[in-house]
Amino acid sequence: GAVVSQHPSWVICKSGTSVKIECRSLDFQATTMFWYRQFPKQSLMLMATSNEGSKATYEQGVEKDKFLINHASLTLSTLTVTSAHPEDSSFYICSATTGTSGFNEQFFGPGTRLTVL
Amino acid sequence: GQNIDQPTEMTATEGAIVQINCTYQTSGFNGLFWYQQHAGEAPTFLSYNVLDGLEEKGRFSSFLSRSKGYSYLLLKELQMKDSASYLCAVMDSNYQLIWGAGTKLIIKP
Repeated sequence: GAVVSQHPSWVICKSGTSVKIECRSLDFQATTMFWYRQFPKQSLMLMATSNEGSKATYEQGVEKDKFLINHASLTLSTLTVTSAHPEDSSFYICSATTGTSGFNEQFFGPGTRLTVL
Repeated sequence: GQNIDQPTEMTATEGAIVQINCTYQTSGFNGLFWYQQHAGEAPTFLSYNVLDGLEEKGRFSSFLSRSKGYSYLLLKELQMKDSASYLCAVMDSNYQLIWGAGTKLIIKP
């Protein structure tokens, strides 16, 4: 089956620093990748959708200058949390699909737990 | 606005059957998904319904009624490992997934 990896699995950083999270599709080419954030006991919240080679589409309320997304290849997307603050502490999950429209199952990465001190 | 409703928490007994309901109001409909999510892990795909009716897959079944904006996930012969959150998600007219808040299922021996 399709496998998506994320790195790192967890990260602790100081307030004001930047953190980069990688999302890779290991055995398929992902034309579209999604970045989600999930706070404790809450559902997934879509942050942005990125298509390979184009700018990401951010959801309302998500600061694109704070959450930088790069989808440089068909197997890699990165999310950089710039100038992180404690309120950015969350579980960040990426998912990937093989198409840009129609039914395409989203394959989820294992998630990255970010703790900002 | 778009809305997905499902119960916050349910409790069931090992070996029993439990039904988790989901109602939705979305702009367009291109299918309904059920995902299972264990604590601290990413969601895993369980089922997809786009036509009315029941889809059975082993111990898990999912039902859809598009006219009622309603779906349920039926879990039979419950096992302790089924303790998890179950997320209902609807794909809208833009093929974007709208997520419910999830139902935490607690299985007791």
